[in-house]
Amino acid sequence: QKEVEQNSGPLSVPEGAIASLNCTYSDRGSQSFFWYRQYSGKSPELIMFIYSNGDKEDGRFTAQLNKASQYVSLLIRDSQPSDSATYLCAVRTNDYKLSFGAGTTVTVRA
Amino acid sequence: EAGVAQSPRYKIIEKRQSVAFWCNPISGHATLYWYQQILGQGPKLLIQFQNNGVVDDSQLPKDRFSAERLKGVDSTLKIQPAKLEDSAVYLCASSFPGVYEQYFGPGTRLTVT
Repeated sequence: QKEVEQNSGPLSVPEGAIASLNCTYSDRGSQSFFWYRQYSGKSPELIMFIYSNGDKEDGRFTAQLNKASQYVSLLIRDSQPSDSATYLCAVRTNDYKLSFGAGTTVTVRA
Repeated sequence: EAGVAQSPRYKIIEKRQSVAFWCNPISGHATLYWYQQILGQGPKLLIQFQNNGVVDDSQLPKDRFSAERLKGVDSTLKIQPAKLEDSAVYLCASSFPGVYEQYFGPGTRLTVT
């Protein structure tokens, strides 16, 4: 079982719609969770982090965490063409390493 | 604030040759990470430094990879000898100690032929 799994994608959404990205993790002791955005040919950039159960909103982005279900998600509201990228879920595991999922590629159709 | 700097940006070598990558972290960031990102996969941690000491190198293929961080600032990652499967982007990241947010450099794209 992979430490961090993301829905395989690619995910195609029309402009203005909500993009929903999912991530599950295996280490129940994980404490912190991150979403990185990676444009093609570029390095990952941090867009959200969440430590506590519930929702955390930052502009058009909302991260949701459910530690009991070992599940973290990212919602992108009012999707724009500039949101087209690969989104990486990262989890800080119990041994303090950051483990990344393989990423979900999002394409926003104009 | 200047970001994480890496060089070279691109490198093409033949298998069995050696190669070295350089990283300069964000000023004040004591923690430095080297990741390998193979096409279509997420980054995989190779080694983590805290100042000039190694915190974790459990996923570093030590028979061919080495890394150092002299003086606790710049770092170099070396591969000797390179294999075809080492073709990847090598990312350097840094963070303040105890702070979980990591900031990535632009990466070095290595192609081994």
